[in-house]
Amino acid sequence: QVQLKESGPGLVQPSQTLSLTCTVSGFSLTSYNVHWVRQPPGKGLEWMGRMRYNGDTSYNSALKSRLSISRDTSKNQVFLKMNSLQTDDTGTYYCTTLGAFDYWGQGVMVTVSS
Amino acid sequence: DIQMTQTPSSMPASLGERVTISCRASQGISNYLNWYQQKPDGTIKPLIYYTSNLQSGVPSRFSGSGSGTDYSLTISSLEPEDFAMYYCQQYDSSPPTFGAGTKLELK
Repeated sequence: QVQLKESGPGLVQPSQTLSLTCTVSGFSLTSYNVHWVRQPPGKGLEWMGRMRYNGDTSYNSALKSRLSISRDTSKNQVFLKMNSLQTDDTGTYYCTTLGAFDYWGQGVMVTVSS
Repeated sequence: DIQMTQTPSSMPASLGERVTISCRASQGISNYLNWYQQKPDGTIKPLIYYTSNLQSGVPSRFSGSGSGTDYSLTISSLEPEDFAMYYCQQYDSSPPTFGAGTKLELK
């Protein structure tokens, strides 16, 4: 059974760094890509970046200077780190496989506030 | 980046009604188009991939079509659980981009 589950702090202070973990099961990170997608409250979906099956990464150009995605295949985990957080980074963050093999986590709500 | 224009932004509809949601890309996307359903609790369910292929477990009342820049999602007969947000997404070129969404509401 394929599952993705996001975890991380619900509250982050402005200017600080967000660290999220996506723990997957039911498939191998060396076979499928994992993406991060976010959604501000009441708004649409924004693609943030991707960890490819071969370890390569790509990022949304609007976030590239602040964003880093990495993984630990032995733990079946993909990590997102984004620095210099501001209030408009508040939202729900999802990890997903996208594409024909398409599964999503439940999302984790992150609030940026002092 | 490819812009995805989704219409309408909201749609009141009745149980049993047939509805169609449209999605237009700012350039041709060679059928690399997915559709998603999002419930109020935030749960996102993939419905269709590569324009017209149903994801496993998706009811056959859902269908997708299109080519070039114009794509659509049709629900042939609305059930109570279909009232939700719907998003299209292109993956022809990076970054993948989403439409702004269509809210399907009970009339």
